[in-house]
Amino acid sequence: GDSVTQMEGPVTLSEEAFLTINCTYTATGYPSLFWYVQYPGEGLQLLLKATKADDKGSNKGFEATYRKETTSFHLEKGSVQVSDSAVYFCALSPVGSGGYNKLIFGAGTRLAVHP
Amino acid sequence: NAGVTQTPKFRVLKTGQSMTLLCAQDMNHEYMYWYRQDPGMGLRLIHYSVGEGTTAKGEVPDGYNVSRLKKQNFLLGLESAAPSQTSVYFCASRGRLKPGPNYNEQFFGPGTRLTVL
Repeated sequence: GDSVTQMEGPVTLSEEAFLTINCTYTATGYPSLFWYVQYPGEGLQLLLKATKADDKGSNKGFEATYRKETTSFHLEKGSVQVSDSAVYFCALSPVGSGGYNKLIFGAGTRLAVHP
Repeated sequence: NAGVTQTPKFRVLKTGQSMTLLCAQDMNHEYMYWYRQDPGMGLRLIHYSVGEGTTAKGEVPDGYNVSRLKKQNFLLGLESAAPSQTSVYFCASRGRLKPGPNYNEQFFGPGTRLTVL
């Protein structure tokens, strides 16, 4: 079945460091791909998305490119801030999930950024 | 505009007790969802609703029931709580599909942390 695999955390970085969080998926066809972020004590928020191969989603300095050939959607940011400390979830919406917009989530990766 | 709210925020139950979690949204969304979040497993869909008066099972529905009597509310019930239901529960909602890319953003509530002893 469809699934999402993320790199295990926690990821600990110093402020202004470069961030990569790996995400790979298994699915038929061309699912839509997403990154959600969960700040401490809050619910999940959509960070960025891509709906077709080679699309690049971007928001708040974060970027991810939909790579069909490697079935990947890695999250990157050039210079992280303490305020980026959160749990990041990669997710996919399978082709044909249509009616209720099914989302399949990865396990989440905790990011801690220190001053 | 409060978005998606959940009550209560925290709850501790004993095995066998029952409770209801309430989710409310003020965005006039058609679709609502209940997820559970467990360490190392991401979020898993329990039940969902595509409109007032309708509900359907998700990935992990056993031990839970839901009701959507009003469009803005989606209730999750545990009739006889078990330790395996210790988790963080998230509600989400979204509007109708729009033309174009087949996706509308799901908006999440802040979660309810439930412990079953």
